[in-house]
Amino acid sequence: ILNVEQSPQSLHVQEGDSTNFTCSFPSSNFYALHWYRWETAKSPEALFVMTLNGDEKKKGRISATLNTKEGYSYLYIKGSQPEDSATYLCARGQNFVFGPGTRLSVLP
Amino acid sequence: DTGVSQDPRHKITKRGQNVTFRCDPISEHNRLYWYRQTLGQGPEFLTYFQNEAQLEKSRLLSDRFSAERPKGSFSTLEIQRTEQGDSAMYLCASSSEGWPNEKLFFGSGTQLSVL
Repeated sequence: ILNVEQSPQSLHVQEGDSTNFTCSFPSSNFYALHWYRWETAKSPEALFVMTLNGDEKKKGRISATLNTKEGYSYLYIKGSQPEDSATYLCARGQNFVFGPGTRLSVLP
Repeated sequence: DTGVSQDPRHKITKRGQNVTFRCDPISEHNRLYWYRQTLGQGPEFLTYFQNEAQLEKSRLLSDRFSAERPKGSFSTLEIQRTEQGDSAMYLCASSSEGWPNEKLFFGSGTQLSVL
């Protein structure tokens, strides 16, 4: 993997469903992995920064894991709510190279 | 502190014109980043300052783009001889901490439309 990739590109879930997305990145020369949430008409906001293989971070219903050896991170949302609707971006490295994002829509 | 501010919010220009955007970071932040974002893509790194020093510039960035941060506070991004492909959202972000806890604070962006 040469760039930061994210899947799926978009996702529609029902309120109350749990969901997860994937961020894949080059595993060589790992520095840090960041997750951001970008709501429509707002600015991107930081969720997590992870630096060590095996890191797990949690904020409320949202959590993330990191595997630097294989080059991926998962973001999990438990019990999705309409206010979770946003684009979720991951970024790698010192200069924050961003992936294309996963657009989540939570239907009431 | 009111966060990162960008001006203008929207800019419409004709092809071939020069445009300049301004970013005012959070006052105590010494790092400042510029990104460009187009529909369906994540923010694309353009350049990065630590205080007044421009430490890195994307290899993908045309010579028509230039950025300054003269006193280590606000920054400007200029695009000369704009092209329709320059139409995008230009985002500025600032931060104060280095590894491992660096976190970017973004402005609302400047939406550029080149006609």
